[in-house]
Amino acid sequence: DAGVIQSPRHEVTEMGQEVTLRCKPISGHNSLFWYRQTMMRGLELLIYFNNNVPIDDSGMPEDRFSAKMPNASFSTLKIQPSEPRDSAVYFCASGIGGGSGNTIYFGEGSWLTVV
Amino acid sequence: DAKTTQPNSMESNEEEPVHLPCNHSTISGTDYIHWYRQLPSQGPEYVIHGLTSNVNNRMASLAIAEDRKSSTLILHRATLRDAAVYYCILRDPLTGTASKLTFGTGTRLQVTL
Repeated sequence: DAGVIQSPRHEVTEMGQEVTLRCKPISGHNSLFWYRQTMMRGLELLIYFNNNVPIDDSGMPEDRFSAKMPNASFSTLKIQPSEPRDSAVYFCASGIGGGSGNTIYFGEGSWLTVV
Repeated sequence: DAKTTQPNSMESNEEEPVHLPCNHSTISGTDYIHWYRQLPSQGPEYVIHGLTSNVNNRMASLAIAEDRKSSTLILHRATLRDAAVYYCILRDPLTGTASKLTFGTGTRLQVTL
Protein backbone atom coordinates (compact mmCIF):
# COMPACT_ATOMS: atom_id res chain seq x y z
CA ASP A 1 0.00 0.00 0.00
CA ALA A 2 1.35 3.42 -0.97
CA GLY A 3 0.06 5.13 2.14
CA VAL A 4 -1.19 8.70 2.28
CA ILE A 5 0.50 10.74 -0.43
CA GLN A 6 1.01 14.45 -0.05
CA SER A 7 2.40 17.02 -2.44
CA PRO A 8 4.40 19.11 -2.57
CA ARG A 9 6.77 17.87 0.11
CA HIS A 10 8.41 21.24 0.42
CA GLU A 11 7.29 24.66 -0.74
CA VAL A 12 8.71 28.11 -0.31
CA THR A 13 6.49 30.94 -1.44
CA GLU A 14 6.23 34.68 -1.10
CA MET A 15 3.69 36.36 1.09
CA GLY A 16 0.47 37.00 -0.78
CA GLN A 17 0.78 34.05 -3.12
CA GLU A 18 -1.74 31.24 -3.30
CA VAL A 19 -0.65 27.89 -1.94
CA THR A 20 -2.34 24.60 -2.76
CA LEU A 21 -1.50 21.45 -0.87
CA ARG A 22 -2.68 18.12 -2.20
CA CYS A 23 -3.49 14.80 -0.62
CA LYS A 24 -4.32 11.34 -1.87
CA PRO A 25 -5.73 9.20 0.94
CA ILE A 26 -5.32 5.46 1.24
CA SER A 27 -7.70 3.66 -1.09
CA GLY A 28 -10.84 2.54 0.70
CA HIS A 29 -10.56 5.02 3.54
CA ASN A 30 -13.65 7.16 4.05
CA SER A 31 -12.28 9.80 6.41
CA LEU A 32 -9.68 12.44 5.65
CA PHE A 33 -8.03 14.89 8.01
CA TRP A 34 -5.86 17.97 7.58
CA TYR A 35 -3.54 18.90 10.45
CA ARG A 36 -1.05 21.71 10.90
CA GLN A 37 2.02 21.48 13.11
CA THR A 38 4.12 24.33 14.45
CA MET A 39 6.56 24.55 17.32
CA MET A 40 4.31 26.96 19.18
CA ARG A 41 0.95 25.24 18.76
CA GLY A 42 1.83 21.60 18.17
CA LEU A 43 -0.49 19.45 16.05
CA GLU A 44 -3.79 21.12 15.32
CA LEU A 45 -6.72 19.63 13.45
CA LEU A 46 -7.84 22.04 10.74
CA ILE A 47 -10.68 20.15 9.11
CA TYR A 48 -11.89 16.65 8.52
CA PHE A 49 -14.11 14.95 5.99
CA ASN A 50 -16.21 11.83 6.18
CA ASN A 51 -17.36 10.32 2.90
CA ASN A 52 -16.12 13.47 1.10
CA VAL A 53 -18.30 15.75 3.23
CA PRO A 54 -16.69 18.31 5.57
CA ILE A 55 -17.72 17.42 9.12
CA ASP A 56 -15.79 19.83 11.30
CA ASP A 57 -13.90 22.85 10.01
CA SER A 58 -13.74 24.69 13.32
CA GLY A 59 -9.96 24.43 13.27
CA MET A 60 -9.56 26.35 10.03
CA PRO A 61 -7.77 29.55 11.09
CA GLU A 62 -9.61 32.05 8.93
CA ASP A 63 -11.21 32.64 5.56
CA ARG A 64 -7.85 32.53 3.84
CA PHE A 65 -7.91 28.77 4.33
CA SER A 66 -10.20 26.47 2.36
CA ALA A 67 -10.32 22.71 1.85
CA LYS A 68 -12.11 20.55 -0.66
CA MET A 69 -12.59 16.88 -1.27
CA PRO A 70 -14.13 16.47 -4.73
CA ASN A 71 -13.88 12.69 -4.62
CA ALA A 72 -12.77 9.85 -2.38
CA SER A 73 -9.23 9.84 -3.69
CA PHE A 74 -8.24 13.51 -3.60
CA SER A 75 -8.29 16.53 -1.34
CA THR A 76 -6.78 20.00 -1.40
CA LEU A 77 -5.98 22.58 1.23
CA LYS A 78 -5.65 26.08 -0.16
CA ILE A 79 -4.27 29.21 1.45
CA GLN A 80 -5.00 32.48 -0.33
CA PRO A 81 -3.33 34.84 0.29
CA SER A 82 -0.53 33.22 2.23
CA GLU A 83 1.19 34.94 5.16
CA PRO A 84 4.48 34.22 6.98
CA ARG A 85 2.56 32.95 10.02
CA ASP A 86 1.17 30.14 7.84
CA SER A 87 4.64 28.59 7.74
CA ALA A 88 4.22 25.11 9.20
CA VAL A 89 4.11 21.45 8.34
CA TYR A 90 0.73 20.41 7.01
CA PHE A 91 -0.22 16.78 7.43
CA CYS A 92 -2.96 14.90 5.68
CA ALA A 93 -4.28 11.71 7.24
CA SER A 94 -6.91 9.16 6.35
CA GLY A 95 -8.82 6.48 8.17
CA ILE A 96 -11.63 4.00 7.92
CA GLY A 97 -14.52 4.06 10.27
CA GLY A 98 -16.30 1.53 12.38
CA GLY A 99 -15.04 -0.90 14.98
CA SER A 100 -12.64 -0.27 17.79
CA GLY A 101 -9.56 0.68 15.85
CA ASN A 102 -10.27 3.77 13.82
CA THR A 103 -6.56 3.94 13.14
CA ILE A 104 -5.53 7.05 11.27
CA TYR A 105 -2.61 7.00 8.86
CA PHE A 106 -0.60 10.14 8.25
CA GLY A 107 1.29 11.31 5.22
CA GLU A 108 4.83 12.61 5.40
CA GLY A 109 3.69 16.20 5.43
CA SER A 110 4.04 19.30 3.29
CA TRP A 111 6.64 21.69 4.68
CA LEU A 112 5.50 25.22 3.88
CA THR A 113 7.61 28.32 4.26
CA VAL A 114 6.08 31.72 3.48
CA VAL A 115 8.61 34.53 3.21
CA ASP B 1 -12.73 15.35 24.02
CA ALA B 2 -11.53 14.01 27.34
CA LYS B 3 -8.11 15.28 28.35
CA THR B 4 -4.92 13.31 28.89
CA THR B 5 -1.86 14.28 30.92
CA GLN B 6 1.64 13.07 30.08
CA PRO B 7 5.12 14.01 31.28
CA ASN B 8 6.86 16.41 28.93
CA SER B 9 9.94 14.26 28.54
CA MET B 10 11.56 11.01 29.57
CA GLU B 11 14.94 9.41 29.07
CA SER B 12 15.91 5.81 28.63
CA ASN B 13 19.00 3.78 27.96
CA GLU B 14 19.08 1.66 24.88
CA GLU B 15 18.01 -1.96 25.31
CA GLU B 16 16.13 -1.15 28.50
CA PRO B 17 12.34 -1.14 28.97
CA VAL B 18 10.49 2.16 28.93
CA HIS B 19 7.22 2.88 30.68
CA LEU B 20 5.41 5.95 29.37
CA PRO B 21 2.54 7.00 31.65
CA CYS B 22 -0.69 8.73 30.75
CA ASN B 23 -3.42 10.00 33.06
CA HIS B 24 -6.98 10.32 31.79
CA SER B 25 -9.17 10.70 34.85
CA THR B 26 -12.16 12.03 32.87
CA ILE B 27 -12.27 9.13 30.43
CA SER B 28 -15.77 8.04 29.42
CA GLY B 29 -16.98 4.49 29.18
CA THR B 30 -16.80 4.43 25.39
CA ASP B 31 -13.40 6.12 24.95
CA TYR B 32 -10.62 4.03 23.52
CA ILE B 33 -7.05 4.79 24.55
CA HIS B 34 -4.82 5.31 21.55
CA TRP B 35 -1.09 5.88 21.36
CA TYR B 36 0.66 7.47 18.44
CA ARG B 37 4.25 8.49 18.06
CA GLN B 38 6.01 11.00 15.87
CA LEU B 39 9.57 10.38 14.81
CA PRO B 40 11.68 13.39 13.85
CA SER B 41 10.62 14.95 10.55
CA GLN B 42 7.82 12.44 10.03
CA GLY B 43 4.08 12.31 10.42
CA PRO B 44 2.55 10.65 13.48
CA GLU B 45 2.19 6.89 13.34
CA TYR B 46 -0.12 4.53 15.16
CA VAL B 47 1.40 2.48 17.97
CA ILE B 48 -1.36 0.70 19.85
CA HIS B 49 -4.84 1.11 21.29
CA GLY B 50 -7.09 -0.52 23.84
CA LEU B 51 -10.33 -0.21 25.77
CA THR B 52 -10.13 -2.16 29.02
CA SER B 53 -7.78 -5.09 28.68
CA ASN B 54 -4.03 -4.92 28.30
CA VAL B 55 -2.88 -5.15 24.70
CA ASN B 56 0.28 -6.32 23.01
CA ASN B 57 1.54 -5.90 19.48
CA ARG B 58 4.87 -6.03 17.74
CA MET B 59 5.68 -2.44 18.65
CA ALA B 60 4.62 -2.16 22.26
CA SER B 61 2.33 -3.17 25.10
CA LEU B 62 -0.45 -1.13 26.62
CA ALA B 63 -1.30 -1.58 30.26
CA ILE B 64 -4.65 -0.08 31.30
CA ALA B 65 -5.54 0.53 34.92
CA GLU B 66 -8.58 -1.26 36.25
CA ASP B 67 -10.45 2.02 36.72
CA ARG B 68 -9.25 3.15 33.27
CA LYS B 69 -8.11 6.49 34.64
CA SER B 70 -4.55 5.86 33.60
CA SER B 71 -2.54 3.76 31.19
CA THR B 72 1.08 2.97 30.44
CA LEU B 73 2.75 2.39 27.12
CA ILE B 74 5.56 -0.12 27.46
CA LEU B 75 8.44 -0.39 25.04
CA HIS B 76 10.14 -3.61 26.04
CA ARG B 77 13.58 -2.80 24.69
CA ALA B 78 14.12 0.77 23.65
CA THR B 79 16.32 1.44 20.65
CA LEU B 80 17.64 4.68 19.26
CA ARG B 81 14.93 4.46 16.60
CA ASP B 82 12.28 4.73 19.32
CA ALA B 83 13.30 8.30 20.10
CA ALA B 84 10.14 10.22 19.32
CA VAL B 85 7.23 12.16 20.79
CA TYR B 86 4.61 9.77 22.13
CA TYR B 87 1.00 10.91 22.26
CA CYS B 88 -1.73 9.38 24.40
CA ILE B 89 -5.15 10.16 22.94
CA LEU B 90 -8.71 9.27 23.88
CA ARG B 91 -11.13 8.53 21.08
CA ASP B 92 -14.81 7.76 21.03
CA PRO B 93 -15.38 5.57 17.98
CA LEU B 94 -18.10 6.64 15.63
CA THR B 95 -20.03 4.11 13.65
CA GLY B 96 -19.10 4.14 9.99
CA THR B 97 -16.53 6.92 10.17
CA ALA B 98 -13.18 7.53 11.79
CA SER B 99 -13.40 9.96 14.65
CA LYS B 100 -10.85 12.73 14.89
CA LEU B 101 -7.62 12.62 16.87
CA THR B 102 -6.93 15.52 19.19
CA PHE B 103 -3.23 15.71 20.02
CA GLY B 104 -1.82 17.06 23.25
CA THR B 105 1.82 17.90 23.84
CA GLY B 106 2.94 14.30 24.30
CA THR B 107 6.07 12.88 25.91
CA ARG B 108 9.39 13.37 24.20
CA LEU B 109 11.40 10.18 24.68
CA GLN B 110 15.15 10.37 24.47
CA VAL B 111 17.10 7.14 24.12
CA THR B 112 20.80 7.08 24.84
CA LEU B 113 23.52 4.52 24.36
